[in-house]
Amino acid sequence: EPEVTQTPSHQVTQMGQEVILRCVPISNHLYFYWYRQILGQKVEFLVSFYNNEISEKSEIFDDQFSVERPDGSNFTLKIRSTKLEDSAMYFCASSETEGGRQFFGPGTRLTVL
Amino acid sequence: GQQLNQSPQSMFIQEGEDVSMNCTSSSIFNTWLWYKQDPGEGPVLLIALYKAGELTSNGRLTAQFGITRKDSFLNISASIPSDVGIYFCAGLDLYNQGGKLIFGQGTELSVKP
Repeated sequence: EPEVTQTPSHQVTQMGQEVILRCVPISNHLYFYWYRQILGQKVEFLVSFYNNEISEKSEIFDDQFSVERPDGSNFTLKIRSTKLEDSAMYFCASSETEGGRQFFGPGTRLTVL
Repeated sequence: GQQLNQSPQSMFIQEGEDVSMNCTSSSIFNTWLWYKQDPGEGPVLLIALYKAGELTSNGRLTAQFGITRKDSFLNISASIPSDVGIYFCAGLDLYNQGGKLIFGQGTELSVKP
């Protein structure tokens, strides 16, 4: 069964540092997403990406965030200058079509000190 | 923005009992998804619903897309200990918000053997 993979599983960083979270979506999927989940809270949408462009982004996804598909398989989320409140689980998801089922990766736990 | 209210927030049941949880929205969705999340892991897709009135089963799980398109429920029959986890509903308004999933707050299920 194809699945979404994410690395690293846990990232600890100092406030102000840049982090890059990596995802490998399911291979025949065309739509990619990042979500985050602060501990004990619901999952929140950050951004969707299709055809090398951002399709939608939430108000959380400010200028400190960026996404990239650097090659045919990876999809990355970069946070330029991390803040304490960026500490959360970050989930990558992918779908075959825009309204189709979204499959989530196992997440990266980001801890900002 | 769109809000999803999921209830109940938590449930403590005996093994073998049936469980029901639901989500209501302030506005219409055209897709409802139900996910299960275990601690420290990503959401796992259980059921996807695409049409108002649709009733879909996946083993002991049954979910329905409400006629008004503003609600959905998930039933689990004959619960077992491995059903323990947090269940999230998620709605998608494809025509107005693309692939952005809006998540409910989750229902935490505990099953006593």
